[in-house]
Amino acid sequence: NAGVTQTPKFQVLKTGQSMTLQCAQDMNHNSMYWYRQDPGMGLRLIYYSASEGTTDKGEVPNGYNVSRLNKREFSLRLESAAPSQTSVYFCASSEAKAYQETQYFGPGTRLLVL
Amino acid sequence: AQKITQTQPGMFVQEKEAVTLDCTYDTSDPSYGLFWYKQPSSGEMIFLIYQGSYDQQNATEGRYSLNFQKARKSANLVISASQLGDSAMYFCAMGPTGGFKTIFGAGTRLFVKA
Repeated sequence: NAGVTQTPKFQVLKTGQSMTLQCAQDMNHNSMYWYRQDPGMGLRLIYYSASEGTTDKGEVPNGYNVSRLNKREFSLRLESAAPSQTSVYFCASSEAKAYQETQYFGPGTRLLVL
Repeated sequence: AQKITQTQPGMFVQEKEAVTLDCTYDTSDPSYGLFWYKQPSSGEMIFLIYQGSYDQQNATEGRYSLNFQKARKSANLVISASQLGDSAMYFCAMGPTGGFKTIFGAGTRLFVKA
């Protein structure tokens, strides 16, 4: 039981390049999330997927797209990377338990855009 | 607007002593949940404790307890008998019950002294 896995762990991009961050969970959770964490700040929600087949914008969606490939996998795509997207990206998943939507996080992807 | 405020950027505590990390919040949701997460220097996000807004009793999980004062809109984390391994960043978070848009505070960095 690996929980939530993310690939890659670290990536360097040049401005304008594109890339996809991969996330998978093996907990049979319905909901999945993408966050970014910038220095001195908490996590900010980029996109979420309440269930397979649905996606919705979070607090900071501009510059990103997502795909909920199946129940297990939720990817985040940067079409044209910008230095402002340098951050640590976390994927999370959750399954409501007695109305408690506790989220379980992956190890994070550190992205540097030059 | 929903908001989470953690006013202590850094805290020091002596090993084996108790420490309280402050968290205040603002929300218009009638039902919500409050969470605390720990982020060690290795970077992963670890769920610690949850409190529902309609829970009558304060939540406890081992050495962690949540001092929930609904009228004051505060949800402070109390760590008893601090250990060196408790040195980490701690984030308070809030989300609507059954909802998906969890917001996080900026975090408090805790240093445990031997």
